[in-house]
Amino acid sequence: DTAVSQTPKYLVTQMGNDKSIKCEQNLGHDTMYWYKQDSKKFLKIMFSYNNKELIINETVPNRFSPKSPDKAHLNLHINSLELGDSAVYFCASSPFRTGSNEKLFFGSGTQLSVL
Amino acid sequence: DAKTTQPNSMESNEEEPVHLPCNHSTISGTDYIHWYRQLPSQGPEYVIHGLTSNVNNRMASLAIAEDRKSSTLILHRATLRDAAVYYCILPGNTGKLIFGQGTTLQVKP
Repeated sequence: DTAVSQTPKYLVTQMGNDKSIKCEQNLGHDTMYWYKQDSKKFLKIMFSYNNKELIINETVPNRFSPKSPDKAHLNLHINSLELGDSAVYFCASSPFRTGSNEKLFFGSGTQLSVL
Repeated sequence: DAKTTQPNSMESNEEEPVHLPCNHSTISGTDYIHWYRQLPSQGPEYVIHGLTSNVNNRMASLAIAEDRKSSTLILHRATLRDAAVYYCILPGNTGKLIFGQGTTLQVKP
């Protein structure tokens, strides 16, 4: 059983389109995250939700909107896609609210290519 | 959040031990030291974490200096499957994992 699963694994789309990436975790964790890994391989946190409440919101364009229908799901919707949005997006979860002792579990990533 | 410094790359021979260093001179007293790794085309994977004492698990050992300003991840017998980017991270109180460049480990057969 996959602990943190993301769909789709690959997403190729045109500039200006709107797309969503879904994430689900079956670990019973309270906190979920979205990370972006650019072409230089740097991983940057974008958002974090704890029990459906937004707790971390880094400097991310308004075109990115996370949605958490329940604590097992955190979806990422992106409006008006731009070339610079091309990256690998990783979902992650951790057992409790964020803290220095938390372990994160990552999904396998969604490779987004904007043409 | 405190910063960490790691070598960009390291090489090892298969079945030999590997010591991956990390400097974190600005660490605060409550910062846990975390290590993650990212295998090619996969998401980051938790390896180990600790606060003050040395830690062991089935994947690796973590040796923490007495002053906590540095730590070393030890892979006891490197395999080809251990080739990855290894990240040393101090999440701080916010728990945010801020990934640096990490150390790219190459394992030679």
